Amino acid sequence: EPEVTQTPSHQVTQMGQEVILRCVPISNHLYFYWYRQILGQKVEFLVSFYNNEISEKSEIFDDQFSVERPDGSNFTLKIRSTKLEDSAMYFCASSSRVLQPQHFGDGTRLSIL
Amino acid sequence: KNEVEQSPQNLTAQEGEFITINCSYSVGISALHWLQQHPGGGIVSLFMLSSGKKKHGRLIATINIQEKHSSLHITASHPRDSAVYICAVRLLSGGGADGLTFGKGTHLIIQP
Repeated sequence: EPEVTQTPSHQVTQMGQEVILRCVPISNHLYFYWYRQILGQKVEFLVSFYNNEISEKSEIFDDQFSVERPDGSNFTLKIRSTKLEDSAMYFCASSSRVLQPQHFGDGTRLSIL
Repeated sequence: KNEVEQSPQNLTAQEGEFITINCSYSVGISALHWLQQHPGGGIVSLFMLSSGKKKHGRLIATINIQEKHSSLHITASHPRDSAVYICAVRLLSGGGADGLTFGKGTHLIIQP
């Protein structure tokens, strides 16, 4: 069964550095999402992406964050000037249509030191 | 303000027991998802519902739109069902690829 893949599985970065989290959604899916889960807390929506542009973003997704689909397969989340509170598990998800199940990747654990 | 509430927060049961996890939401939705998160962190989609009932193997999910309530049932529970079960909703916000709003999850442990 096709799956969403995320790399790296774990990223350790110094505070203030930039990080790029990568995702390869399922190939025929059109809708892409980033979520984050701070340790011990619930999953939170960051951003959705469709037709090469952001569809919706949450209050968390401020100017520090950006997303890109640089080619036909990858979907990236960039965090500029990371802060300690950015430490979390980041999940990528994709779906074929809006009212279809979202398929999640295994997540990238981001640790900011 | 929590738009999605789950109960119980924690549930420990014996193998073979019938399990029910509840989800209530306070806003209009277009769909409700039940997800499973294993200790390693990965999230698996179990069901997406907008009405009625769905069944997959030993899992059954129901939704009552009028009462803004959904339940996830596990029949003949097994230790491998131990995981966090998460309810998430897609809000009725007029369209677009809206993200999901998540509950805090129910931590289920099935003891042999």
